[in-house]
Amino acid sequence: QVQLVESGGGVVQPGRSLRLSCAASGFTFTTYGMHWVRQAPGKGLERVAIISYDGGNEYYADSVKGRFTISRDNSKNTLYLQMNSLRTEDTAVYYCAKEGGVKVTVGSYFDYWGQGTLVTVSS
Amino acid sequence: QVVLTQSPSASASLGASVKLTCTLTSGHSTYTIAWHQQQPEKGPRYLMKVNSDGSHSKGDGIPDRFSGSSSGAERYLTISSLQSEDEADYYCQTWGTGIQVFGGGTKLTVL
Repeated sequence: QVQLVESGGGVVQPGRSLRLSCAASGFTFTTYGMHWVRQAPGKGLERVAIISYDGGNEYYADSVKGRFTISRDNSKNTLYLQMNSLRTEDTAVYYCAKEGGVKVTVGSYFDYWGQGTLVTVSS
Repeated sequence: QVVLTQSPSASASLGASVKLTCTLTSGHSTYTIAWHQQQPEKGPRYLMKVNSDGSHSKGDGIPDRFSGSSSGAERYLTISSLQSEDEADYYCQTWGTGIQVFGGGTKLTVL
């Protein structure tokens, strides 16, 4: 069965960095685009970053552009989110999500989500 | 830019049915959307996709009590025979190249 397991969250001071990981299993990782989505405390879902199945295309929300980098290691079935210059407003639970379509190039819904990892940015 | 609008809250009694609505902005009425459920303190769970013609395809293990439909720019999620575990936040989602859009979510209370 499909599993997405996030890790790497924690408490970090403003301006510092953190790297999140998402270990994927139960599907052919190399044929699906992957996403990071976050949810601030008591708020709704906000897209963060997208990476295509082959890693050739990346898209970012304006709020994180230039600070966050999404990447994937298809040999390890793992998705990453490098977060630099963190701000208090980046405090949220971060979820990785799998696209529902194979080798999609025009965007897709999500058919599986991880359980999330909490990032708290505070001095 | 497409926007998805959801009512912030809804309520219905145990055993009854409820219909949640997700409205697409004008000019985007042909878009497909997806519904996701988020139970308290849990990650979201994919429920189904709903097309503009009302057809829908559900995720793995989603009970028959959950169904989808469409009318114009509105996409619906109907939950019948409400159970206590259906009390959750429900989000709709749509997408394009490099774009992901979420509705604000509807908090469903089961009375």
